[in-house]
Amino acid sequence: SQKIEQNSEALNIQEGKTATLTCNYTNYSPAYLQWYRQDPGRGPVFLLLIRENEKEKRKERLKVTFDTTLKQSLFHITASQPADSATYLCALRRDYGQNFVFGPGTRLSVLP
Amino acid sequence: DTEVTQTPKHLVMGMTNKKSLKCEQHMGHRAMYWYKQKAKKPPELMFVYSYEKLSINESVPSRFSPECPNSSLLNLHLHALQPEDSALYLCASSQPSQGYEQYFGPGTRLTVT
Repeated sequence: SQKIEQNSEALNIQEGKTATLTCNYTNYSPAYLQWYRQDPGRGPVFLLLIRENEKEKRKERLKVTFDTTLKQSLFHITASQPADSATYLCALRRDYGQNFVFGPGTRLSVLP
Repeated sequence: DTEVTQTPKHLVMGMTNKKSLKCEQHMGHRAMYWYKQKAKKPPELMFVYSYEKLSINESVPSRFSPECPNSSLLNLHLHALQPEDSALYLCASSQPSQGYEQYFGPGTRLTVT
């Protein structure tokens, strides 16, 4: 069966450290993988997209990697700040078109 | 303008009521989405409109009826809902040429009594 997993439901790290979040999937062959941030009671906010033929993408303090052999994406936030505390969701494009499925999310808390 | 707006912000309705949720975007995006999100769960795709045509219906019960009057507007008509339909309903839009990155609205918090 198809499944998306994110490494843990919650992750606590100290301010200034690098947060690493994991998205693993089985029985999907996504052409795109996206990462979103969601704050409580708000809609998700798009952060980064990576295509199946790309290994790595960066945007400011954010970095995403995509390993289609391992069926895994890693999402890194360097020099983390308390304002980075939120739930982070990965989303895969399924078989066609605009058909996306979200992972369960990881709730990140950056402690001062 | 990178904003997706949704109205109303909150809605309480009885199981016999008929109501509609509205969504609007002015980014020129040609794909629009409805998602349902329960507490502490990820968004679940319900419907996708592509170039104003319904392209994806994720086996959603017929008590939810989507409508796309034009490329900027998306409605979700609700009728005879059940208490388990209470959730946050999110609208999103994207442009296929830009990798389908989705812009989400703030959502409508729906409570069915």
